[in-house]
Amino acid sequence: GESVGLHLPTLSVQEGDNSIINCAYSNSASDYFIWYKQESGKGPQFIIDIRSNMDKRQGQRVTVLLNKTVKHLSLQIAATQPGDSAVYFCAEYNFNKFYFGSGTKLNVKP
Amino acid sequence: EAQVTQNPRYLITVTGKKLTVTCSQNMNHEYMSWYRQDPGLGLRQIYYSMNVEVTDKGDVPEGYKVSRKEKRNFPLILESPSPNQTSLYFCASSLSLPDTQYFGPGTRLTVL
Repeated sequence: GESVGLHLPTLSVQEGDNSIINCAYSNSASDYFIWYKQESGKGPQFIIDIRSNMDKRQGQRVTVLLNKTVKHLSLQIAATQPGDSAVYFCAEYNFNKFYFGSGTKLNVKP
Repeated sequence: EAQVTQNPRYLITVTGKKLTVTCSQNMNHEYMSWYRQDPGLGLRQIYYSMNVEVTDKGDVPEGYKVSRKEKRNFPLILESPSPNQTSLYFCASSLSLPDTQYFGPGTRLTVL
């Protein structure tokens, strides 16, 4: 099966700082990547996605970087807010299937 | 409101008693999928459906069945539940592939 992993299971940041959540993927043939946010008791919520023909994509306060050479994905959150506290998952798409990482818990300290 | 709904949200049952978890989406999405979420393992895909009457196995299909008779509905069937199927289940849909998936609120299943 696929292996989508995260370097850190928990990340604590100060409110207002930038957050960076990392993800490693194993299949170089994967062509679509997504970041999800999951708050306690809720289903995953789409944050941002990127296709394999891109290196960077920006949204509102979020940026996803894709490094295909080392099969690495990162999510950057600018000016982290208390409402950003959640578990963040990366996912990769390959041949009609999605593979998710185990998640990183982001704690935002006031 | 565009959404994915699941029922029931919580279910406690006993080993061997057949159950069905329903999933419905109102976005005319073609792709639907079921996942289970377990601590430390993230979400793992159980089954997916590309369209009506087209279903295929994900990573962990053992012990589960699905059907897609209508575009909007994608029920998950456990013919003979076992305790190792105790988990949090999510249904998701997307317009096409590859595309953003929209997730339901989850169904917490406990099999005693």
